[in-house]
Amino acid sequence: NAGVTQTPKFQVLKTGQSMTLQCAQDMNHEYMSWYRQDPGMGLRLIHYSVGAGITDQGEVPNGYNVSRSTTEDFPLRLLSAAPSQTSVYFCASSYSGYNQPQHFGDGTRLSIL
Amino acid sequence: DAKTTQPNSMESNEEEPVHLPCNHSTISGTDYIHWYRQLPSQGPEYVIHGLTSNVNNRMASLAIAEDRKSSTLILHRATLRDAAVYYCILRDPYGGATNKLIFGTGTLLAVQP
Repeated sequence: NAGVTQTPKFQVLKTGQSMTLQCAQDMNHEYMSWYRQDPGMGLRLIHYSVGAGITDQGEVPNGYNVSRSTTEDFPLRLLSAAPSQTSVYFCASSYSGYNQPQHFGDGTRLSIL
Repeated sequence: DAKTTQPNSMESNEEEPVHLPCNHSTISGTDYIHWYRQLPSQGPEYVIHGLTSNVNNRMASLAIAEDRKSSTLILHRATLRDAAVYYCILRDPYGGATNKLIFGTGTLLAVQP
């Protein structure tokens, strides 16, 4: 059972480039979300989805787009990368319900020059 | 969302019990107390959660004060693998985004051999 898989694990971009961070889960979870983690800080919620076709903004959504066309996949798009988006990005998934444990991927480490 | 307060860091010796405190004086009657931990270079991992009664699972125990204004995560015998950042998080089943986690900066636990 793979759990939550994030690709790539590392990426370096130039300012203004676009890219998509991939997240896939094989647990048939309805809920998926993206967080970013900056040095010395806790994780902050970027976007989340409660099911296929449904997405909403989290705490820090600016500069990021998401879509959820299938239950399994929840990609995060950076349309025009900025140095302030240098961070570690984590994807998480869970069954719906507020007390369901969330399962996290191992993260994508993104540097924007 | 109600706020939690945790010490920035703690130290323990291997094979000794560890008590990680969390204060949440503004907790509401419906808030659940969740704990996650994050090992170095990994995504967060669910540890345990509870509402009023003390809870046990294979990873840890959660002791909740009678007035619910504080709680303690107990690792019964610390191992080197337990060195991580531990996050205490309150989850409101009636507040906004289902399954949203709000992370603070957590407690960095160091385990000495």
